[in-house]
Amino acid sequence: QKEVEQNSGPLSVPEGAIASLNCTYSDRGSQSFFWYRQYSGKSPELIMSIYSNGDKEDGRFTAQLNKASQYVSLLIRDSQPSDSATYLCAVTSRGTASKLTFGTGTRLQVTL
Amino acid sequence: ETGVTQTPRHLVMGMTNKKSLKCEQHLGHNAMYWYKQSAKKPLELMFVYNFKEQTENNSVPSRFSPECPNSSHLFLHLHTLQPEDSALYLCASSPTGFSYEQYFGPGTRLTVT
Repeated sequence: QKEVEQNSGPLSVPEGAIASLNCTYSDRGSQSFFWYRQYSGKSPELIMSIYSNGDKEDGRFTAQLNKASQYVSLLIRDSQPSDSATYLCAVTSRGTASKLTFGTGTRLQVTL
Repeated sequence: ETGVTQTPRHLVMGMTNKKSLKCEQHLGHNAMYWYKQSAKKPLELMFVYNFKEQTENNSVPSRFSPECPNSSHLFLHLHTLQPEDSALYLCASSPTGFSYEQYFGPGTRLTVT
């Protein structure tokens, strides 16, 4: 079983729509959750972090965490073509504070 | 990208060569990381250094040898690599090893021939 699972996509949404990206994780003791954006040929860029259950909003981005369901999501409102990228979910592992475990990423395509 | 820099950006090496990757962070962080990113695989953590001390070695083969002379610099020494080691090698840093927000450099694209 993969530790962090994401649908590889591509997820295609029209410009201006809401993109919803999902991630599940297997370690119930995980405490910190991150979303990174990676453009093709570039390195990952941190866009959101969330540590407690509920929603966290930052501009057009909202991260949602449900620890009981072991589920974290990222909503992108008013999607723009520049949001087209691969979105990586990352989770801390139990017992090793500095160890991030990444999913394989979801490729998002925002169409005109 | 200027917070964490990596050199070289591209490297082609033969299996018998020895080369080194360099990472430098200008963020005042105390923890640094090496990751490997291969096609269609998740990012794999290789090594973690916290205040210059190695705190994680994720079962990495000995042909990869890290070095952290200070909190701002991190090296990855490579020798007798295999073609399957071809990948994007990413360096990251964070304020401490217990601060999870990691910031990545641009990466070194390594090809082993």
